[in-house]
Amino acid sequence: AQSVAQPEDQVNVAEGNPLTVKCTYSVSGNPYLFWYVQYPNRGLQFLLKYITGDNLVKGSYGFEAEFNKSQTSFHLKKPSALVSDSALYFCAVRVPFRGGYQKVTFGTGTKLQVIP
Amino acid sequence: EAQVTQNPRYLITVTGKKLTVTCSQNMNHEYMSWYRQDPGLGLRQIYYSMNVEVTDKGDVPEGYKVSRKEKRNFPLILESPSPNQTSLYFCASSPQYTDTQYFGPGTRLTVL
Repeated sequence: AQSVAQPEDQVNVAEGNPLTVKCTYSVSGNPYLFWYVQYPNRGLQFLLKYITGDNLVKGSYGFEAEFNKSQTSFHLKKPSALVSDSALYFCAVRVPFRGGYQKVTFGTGTKLQVIP
Repeated sequence: EAQVTQNPRYLITVTGKKLTVTCSQNMNHEYMSWYRQDPGLGLRQIYYSMNVEVTDKGDVPEGYKVSRKEKRNFPLILESPSPNQTSLYFCASSPQYTDTQYFGPGTRLTVL
């Protein structure tokens, strides 16, 4: 069964400092990996995805993520954090299942707090 | 405007009273899905649909039903709600099952 782990419930970072939100996965087959962000009282919004190709993926709002197959990780990064980046971040994985039908598994989420 | 809509946004009900949460998307997406979000558990997939009349169970389907009679609509049905179904529910859609999902605003359900 596929699974996604976000080992940190909360990450605190000072404004202007680089940030990393960690995600590791366990799947059989080639994964499609996603990061979503949830602001308070809102639905989830797409940030970036890895399907194939370059291991470094760039997404919305200056975020990027690096796919590392050997470490089965897909950590989210940003060079300089903004207070407005404070939100709940979810990693998700999709894997081919039953001839093309795909389930989606989300991590438990990491709350990012950017301190002014 | 391209969007996924859910209704109602908030619902308080009692144990055993059947309810339906509607979900509609105007993007002609094939794939639709329902999730519940609970503190400490993240989002868990309830059911998904690859296309009209094609649905399958996610990780937590017990106590829920779905139908996909039209491409744009994917209602979630709780035949006999119980307090452990108190949660925040999200509907999502994507063009294909490989693609980015677009999420609705959420439905906060409380079952007393």
